[in-house]
Amino acid sequence: GAVVSQHPSWVICKSGTSVKIECRSLDFQATTMFWYRQFPKQSLMLMATSNEGSKATYEQGVEKDKFLINHASLTLSTLTVTSAHPEDSSFYICSASGGASTDTQYFGPGTRLTVL
Amino acid sequence: QKEVEQNSGPLSVPEGAIASLNCTYSDRGSQSFFWYRQYSGKSPELIMSIYSNGDKEDGRFTAQLNKASQYVSLLIRDSQPSDSATYLCAVSGQAGTALIFGKGTTLSVSS
Repeated sequence: GAVVSQHPSWVICKSGTSVKIECRSLDFQATTMFWYRQFPKQSLMLMATSNEGSKATYEQGVEKDKFLINHASLTLSTLTVTSAHPEDSSFYICSASGGASTDTQYFGPGTRLTVL
Repeated sequence: QKEVEQNSGPLSVPEGAIASLNCTYSDRGSQSFFWYRQYSGKSPELIMSIYSNGDKEDGRFTAQLNKASQYVSLLIRDSQPSDSATYLCAVSGQAGTALIFGKGTTLSVSS
């Protein structure tokens, strides 16, 4: 149980385009989803926390107009990187909590974004 | 500011040995404690959760919690080369809030 999927697993895009990443909880209802970014050989950096039906709460320094987060249902959250630039190239990972263990976070496999 | 501290390592152990990973946290009100394993280029994978003082065993893994000392540890018995990864300690204050992660300890198990 507690499976989280992400799509796509990797994406390459041109500078200036927007990219949408989907995060789904497959076998439980995720009341809260989290989005992280991780640069090579660095630790996880929390970008935002989202609760179903509510606006996301962004961490300090994360541009909410650039990283649009939507948590429209209990099984789906999306992260849209708008007007992507090469410095946005990173490993984006979502996690979800909910179901029987509301404090445990289960991670998706991650999405590797490369902006040319 | 709530912090979770881990020795970055690398911690090197021979195959078959016990690997001991340690973590301290600053928020005395923390209630839930987790160990995740992250292989290079992959996302974190949950290994253990622990909520009460004492030991919790799951296969080759044992998590230990001492709330008075604000200390969490993970023991890996009979370490295997496949255990080579970065181990992340994470702490939570309450359900639905973001986990506070340590920077991770890199474990290398040599055959």
